[in-house]
Amino acid sequence: GQNIDQPTEMTATEGAIVQINCTYQTSGFNGLFWYQQHAGEAPTFLSYNVLDGLEEKGRFSSFLSRSKGYSYLLLKELQMKDSASYLCAVRDQAKAAGNKLTFGGGTRVLVKP
Amino acid sequence: DVKVTQSSRYLVKRTGEKVFLECVQDMDHENMFWYRQDPGLGLRLIYFSYDVKMKEKGDIPEGYSVSREKKERFSLILESASTNQTSMYLCASSSHTGRAFFGQGTRLTVV
Repeated sequence: GQNIDQPTEMTATEGAIVQINCTYQTSGFNGLFWYQQHAGEAPTFLSYNVLDGLEEKGRFSSFLSRSKGYSYLLLKELQMKDSASYLCAVRDQAKAAGNKLTFGGGTRVLVKP
Repeated sequence: DVKVTQSSRYLVKRTGEKVFLECVQDMDHENMFWYRQDPGLGLRLIYFSYDVKMKEKGDIPEGYSVSREKKERFSLILESASTNQTSMYLCASSSHTGRAFFGQGTRLTVV
């Protein structure tokens, strides 16, 4: 089975940096995704890590350590529009899994002025 | 632009009704998924399909069934709707890369 944990909520100030952690214990692993979801909208893709290390994409970076079952999403130079939920998802490795994604509960980030 | 379209944004149904939620994708993706999203519980997988006429149970399939007669269309069926199926339903599709594209969601209320 899959068990994915991330904090429920975080608050940060505009212009600051926030790090959202995600830990996972899974029976199979074939990569980790981060999605952003604004209230009332569909999740949208942010990043994908399959190898250990840091992937940087503008203000957003994502890190993976497979041996530790750990990832984080780093949001820099926070803007008000970054207020959203951030979802960590693990891709299954099992043959019949059909690229199934299992999601954590999501972290709601509130950016204050 | 890639698109996953769900037939309704909002739906209100009565207990015991049979409910169909439709999802269509235009990206020729092999994989399609149905999730439900509830506060505090995140996205939970109901069913998924990796090919036409193929289906696999997810984590919470009870009370639901699915149909995939054509590659682009994946339907979720609530055989007899109950109030505990009131939720946001999200459809997604993906190719071999695993990156999922989501529809806008259907907020279903069962009264």
